[in-house]
Amino acid sequence: EIVLTQSPGTLSLSPGERATLSCRASQSVRSNYLAWYQQKPGQAPRLLIYGASSRATGIPDRFSGSGSGTDFTLTISRLEPEDFAVYYCQQYGSSPRTFGQGTKVEIK
Amino acid sequence: QVQLVQSASELKKPGASVKVSCKASGYTFTTYAMHWVRHAPGQGLEWMGWISTNTGNPTYAQGFTGRFVFSLDTSVSTAYLQISSLKAEDTAVYYCAKVRGWPNDAFDIWGQGTMVTVSS
Repeated sequence: EIVLTQSPGTLSLSPGERATLSCRASQSVRSNYLAWYQQKPGQAPRLLIYGASSRATGIPDRFSGSGSGTDFTLTISRLEPEDFAVYYCQQYGSSPRTFGQGTKVEIK
Repeated sequence: QVQLVQSASELKKPGASVKVSCKASGYTFTTYAMHWVRHAPGQGLEWMGWISTNTGNPTYAQGFTGRFVFSLDTSVSTAYLQISSLKAEDTAVYYCAKVRGWPNDAFDIWGQGTMVTVSS
């Protein structure tokens, strides 16, 4: 099973700042099948990024994904008020598919 | 638009069973596999497995065999998750999620979640 470790656990930033979230895999993620999801309280997760770097439909271009192999990054170029949420990475290249434990982006 | 609408929250006693529904609309139900994800209080997201909406064949993740059953009613574009012999540790929000394309692709649409509470 691939273990995904996200860091930091919590990121305290102000609107307009840049957010950089990390997701490290215990072994290489096949074909970079790595997704990022955003979850707000009381809501279902929302797909942001798939295939490590492709934005999902309707996702603003301030969200970008990068990385390959075992190290992946989600960058939010300029935080908007609606971006404060929990972010999860997920690998879907191997079974069982696994999620990271999440990074909470909170308002500083 | 494409959406998944899940059944309402449930409160059950230990040992009982529960059946969560996930009704799809806005796309051809049998084209995309359906996955299930558990989110227990204070825990992260946990993948439970998936069901082929084309063949009805289920695949269960480790830890979700025996008491958990995925099923379909394609005539009403609905997937189901049944959990039997409920335990307190089954208390969680359960999500259904549709894949983008191939059966093990990323999840592009999620249901709103169904809270199952197991308490005496």
